[in-house]
Amino acid sequence: AQTVTQSQPEMSVQEAETVTLSCTYDTSENNYYLFWYKQPPSRQMILVIRQEAYKQQNATENRFSVNFQKAAKSFSLKISDSQLGDTAMYFCALSEGGGADGLTFGKGTHLIIQP
Amino acid sequence: NAGVTQTPKFRVLKTGQSMTLLCAQDMNHEYMYWYRQDPGMGLRLIHYSVGEGTTAKGEVPDGYNVSRLKKQNFLLGLESAAPSQTSVYFCASSYLNRNQPQHFGDGTRLSIL
Repeated sequence: AQTVTQSQPEMSVQEAETVTLSCTYDTSENNYYLFWYKQPPSRQMILVIRQEAYKQQNATENRFSVNFQKAAKSFSLKISDSQLGDTAMYFCALSEGGGADGLTFGKGTHLIIQP
Repeated sequence: NAGVTQTPKFRVLKTGQSMTLLCAQDMNHEYMYWYRQDPGMGLRLIHYSVGEGTTAKGEVPDGYNVSRLKKQNFLLGLESAAPSQTSVYFCASSYLNRNQPQHFGDGTRLSIL
């Protein structure tokens, strides 16, 4: 069975700093997708970024980028120039197989951006 | 754009009562999902559906039933509510192509006393 592990329950950084959230996963599939979701206090689940396993190039979305290491099964999220609005829970998630059978989530990292 | 709408947003039940959570999406998505979120546990898949009239079990299906009679709606039922089912429930939907991300509703906070 697939698993997703986030080893940092909580992180705190100063505004404008760069922060990296860790995620490791395990899957027997060769082709799969990885996602980072943000959950602010409003409870909404917001897609931050996604990565297709067969693509070598790391995904980027404005201040958000990933470091995807397929062999190591690692998928970290880097947030540059962090802002107060980045304070939230961040979940790493894996989609494998046909993609129809849902996402497997990590337990999340609570990121706090200090002013 | 409504996206994914969950009804109700909050509910308190007594042990043994039954209820149905409604999820509606207006994006013509084929796939729909129900997750539960517990403190420190992330989201876990309860049931899912790959199309109208089809349902399948996820990671934690016990105590729940689902139905998808219409493509746009996915219902989650609690037959006999138990305190262990106190949680925040999220519905999500996505297109047939697995490359597409899931879109989530705002969640339903359910407390079982």
